[in-house]
Amino acid sequence: ETGVTQTPRHLVMGMTNKKSLKCEQHLGHNAMYWYKQSAKKPLELMFVYNFKEQTENNSVPSRFSPECPNSSHLFLHLHTLQPEDSALYLCASSRDRAVRTDEAFFGQGTRLTVV
Amino acid sequence: AQSVTQPDIHITVSEGASLELRCNYSYGATPYLFWYVQSPGQGLQLLLKYFSGDTLVQGIKGFEAEFKRSQSSFNLRKPSVHWSDAAEYFCAVGADGGSQGNLIFGKGTKLSVKP
Repeated sequence: ETGVTQTPRHLVMGMTNKKSLKCEQHLGHNAMYWYKQSAKKPLELMFVYNFKEQTENNSVPSRFSPECPNSSHLFLHLHTLQPEDSALYLCASSRDRAVRTDEAFFGQGTRLTVV
Repeated sequence: AQSVTQPDIHITVSEGASLELRCNYSYGATPYLFWYVQSPGQGLQLLLKYFSGDTLVQGIKGFEAEFKRSQSSFNLRKPSVHWSDAAEYFCAVGADGGSQGNLIFGKGTKLSVKP
């Protein structure tokens, strides 16, 4: 238990559906991250939020829409996804994005399957 | 550009045998280096990290890693593997200007342990 909780753990959705992934931490951290983990590929950083402001968007398609209403919660809104978007989506948090020595804590991930 | 290479996709060792997982990085300055472990269906857990100082770092679960600047390597070792060590191991380097949440990962090495 890392203190970062992701829901749901598993999600199956059709290509025309709209769904959201949720990440929650009560570690007092101010930075939150979304990563995508696909089979046979390195983990890819998708988005970074620091103090509720988005600081990085690594060329992620617009069908993925992040939202960070406060420092404890991070959402990933999904719509009109493709089968190749099926992956494990990991959330992480750290005290401050700018501090390199701050340890990041990862959630257990949401296994997304797009059918 | 920063990158991490884990040349071994899958390694099998016998329980009680020693283990070394290889990691090579590409980074212009002094890197911040990490090893994470991921058990099936789980998120990432930090095993150990190197920022500066002693090039041999100790981590949790009996793991250690040695930073060798001349070889651009940060190999993970364990003197005696236990069946519970079966998992996937990821080496990562801290991206410029970012915290440990802003990481560049290798593709991972899957470790299987024979009884």
